[in-house]
Amino acid sequence: AQKITQTQPGMFVQEKEAVTLDCTYDTSDPSYGLFWYKQPSSGEMIFLIYQGSYDQQNATEGRYSLNFQKARKSANLVISASQLGDSAMYFCAMRVRGNNRLAFGKGNQVVVIP
Amino acid sequence: KAGVTQTPRYLIKTRGQQVTLSCSPISGHRSVSWYQQTPGQGLQFLFEYFSETQRNKGNFPGRFSGRQFSNSRSEMNVSTLELGDSALYLCASSLAASSGNTIYFGEGSWLTVV
Repeated sequence: AQKITQTQPGMFVQEKEAVTLDCTYDTSDPSYGLFWYKQPSSGEMIFLIYQGSYDQQNATEGRYSLNFQKARKSANLVISASQLGDSAMYFCAMRVRGNNRLAFGKGNQVVVIP
Repeated sequence: KAGVTQTPRYLIKTRGQQVTLSCSPISGHRSVSWYQQTPGQGLQFLFEYFSETQRNKGNFPGRFSGRQFSNSRSEMNVSTLELGDSALYLCASSLAASSGNTIYFGEGSWLTVV
């Protein structure tokens, strides 16, 4: 069974600074995908970025980048130039081959302060 | 392009009643999954439907059921509601279960059982 671990406590981040959110995962399947989602207090789960296990390069989407270290089984999210609207819960999730079932971590709370 | 649409957004039910939640996936997406999110248990997978067939099921009692229609719209039903069923129910859609397909979520349905 796959497992996602997010252990950082809530974080306060200064506006315009970068923030790194940690995610480690465990799976025995060599084919998997890693996702990061943002969930503001409204509840909507917003897709941020995706990394496939066979992707050679780290994924980037605008201000979001994923630091994928396969050997260490980590997939950390980096948000550059934080904005007030980035205040939310952030979830790391994994899907294994041929399966749309996502396993989620507990999430990281981020609060951006001016 | 319209996103994943869930209705209703908020609802209050009494113990013992039943509830039906609806999800319209992104146009062209054939896979629909449902998740329950509570503060104590986090995000838990309920089930996935693909082309009107349940393909995956999480560890929930039989009171939780779902279905998918020919237009890929999906409904989930919870019968004999319990206080512990109070949660945010999230629907997700994807083209299919392959490693490159992104999974998108809706805004969720907030269910309160009193």
